[in-house]
Amino acid sequence: KQEVTQIPAALSVPEGENLVLNCSFTDSAIYNLQWFRQDPGKGLTSLLLIQSSQREQTSGRLNASLDKSSGRSTLYIAASQPGDSATYLCASPLYSGGGADGLTFGKGTHLIIQP
Amino acid sequence: DAGVTQSPTHLIKTRGQQVTLRCSPKSGHDTVSWYQQALGQGPQFIFQYYEEEERQRGNFPDRFSGHQFPNYSSELNVNALLLGDSALYLCASSLVTGRETQYFGPGTRLLVL
Repeated sequence: KQEVTQIPAALSVPEGENLVLNCSFTDSAIYNLQWFRQDPGKGLTSLLLIQSSQREQTSGRLNASLDKSSGRSTLYIAASQPGDSATYLCASPLYSGGGADGLTFGKGTHLIIQP
Repeated sequence: DAGVTQSPTHLIKTRGQQVTLRCSPKSGHDTVSWYQQALGQGPQFIFQYYEEEERQRGNFPDRFSGHQFPNYSSELNVNALLLGDSALYLCASSLVTGRETQYFGPGTRLLVL
C-alpha cells in the first residue's frame, strides 16, 4: 500500500521567488503521481499528473518531476505570485494495480506568497 | 459542463444520527470516489464506486456505506455519527481507466455536535 509524505508542512516566501515543494512515496511501483491545489475550505484542483513512464510534466509556471528510484516527486513553481498562496497536495494511487484507484494523499504544504 | 457537484454544502448533525451526502460526477465519467478530509490533514480515501458496485475501499468502518445509481451519481451514508466524523467530505469522479486525473467537487462540510 502506497504512503505519501510532504515536506515542508508550511512555507512563506516573498513574491517573485522560485520555490520547490517535495513529496516522497514508499512504493516505487507507482502508477502515477498527481499534484493538486486546495484553497481554504474548497475542493481540490488538479495541477499536474505524471504517469509512471514520464519523468516530468509542465504547465505554465509549474513543473513537476517524478523519480521512481528515489521515491520522490518535486513541484517547482517559478516566479511565485500572491495568487499561488494555497495548500499543495501530492497524491498517488493507494494500490499499484493501475486504473482509477483511490488516492492516498500527503498532508500538504501550506504556501504563503508575501506581496 | 457543471463539473462535479455535491450537496448539501454544509450540514450539522448530532452524535448518533445518520447522514446522506450526494454527488453528481463530471459528464462522461463512470467512477466516483469519496474522501474524508479532517482539518489540517490530506484527504483520506473512503471508497470508490464503478458500475453501481463498490470497487475499492479504504480503512473506514462499516458505518460508512455508499451507493451508485445508473446515472453514475452517488451517495455516501454515515450511520451512528461520532464527533470525529466532523470533516470536509469530498467526492471525485474519473474514468475507470485511470489515464486522467480525478476531478473533485467542492465538498460537503459536516459538523457533528
